[in-house]
Amino acid sequence: EIVLTQSPATLSLSPGERATLSCRASQSVSSFLAWYQQKPGQAPRLLIYDASTRATGIPARFSGSGSGTDFTLTISSLEPEDFAVYYCQQRGNWPPSTFGQGTRLEIK
Amino acid sequence: QVHLVQSGAEVKKPGASVKVSCRASGYTFTNYGISWVRQAPGQGLEWMGWISTYNGNTNYAQKVQGRVTMTTDTSTSTAYMELRSLRSDDTAVYYCGREPGDGYIVHWGQGTLVTVSP
Repeated sequence: EIVLTQSPATLSLSPGERATLSCRASQSVSSFLAWYQQKPGQAPRLLIYDASTRATGIPARFSGSGSGTDFTLTISSLEPEDFAVYYCQQRGNWPPSTFGQGTRLEIK
Repeated sequence: QVHLVQSGAEVKKPGASVKVSCRASGYTFTNYGISWVRQAPGQGLEWMGWISTYNGNTNYAQKVQGRVTMTTDTSTSTAYMELRSLRSDDTAVYYCGREPGDGYIVHWGQGTLVTVSP
């Protein structure tokens, strides 16, 4: 099973700042990695798939990069609504799939 | 538009079984797979498995393999996830999601809370 490790566990930033979230895979998943945003009481929302492609309707301030085992989600300038939990998901050998443990992005 | 509507909350005793349904509308059911993801209280997302609505093929996570069965009823565009021999650590919100063949989930059900308690 491919294990995804996200860092940091919690990121404290202010609106307007740049956020950089990391996801590392235990083995190569090529570019088959997605990022989701989840707010309390809601289902996750797909932000980025195939490492760098924004899903429909996702603002341009969200970007993804990486391949192989190291991936990054960047939010260029934080908006108040961006404070949430972010998960990465791999589908490198789909199926199966796995999620990372999440990064909580909180307001400083 | 795409809708996935799940069955209501359940309370079960340890050792019992639960079957959660996910009724799809707004698209051709057999053109997309269904993935199941769960989230224990205050915890992260856990991928449980996937079913092809086209031919019934399944793939389950190792952690639940042997206790889970995913099925579909194409006549009603409904997917089902049955989990047996429930334990307290199965307490979670269970989500279904429409999977377009690439493993990613754009459309999600509203979630079903399953509580396992003596």
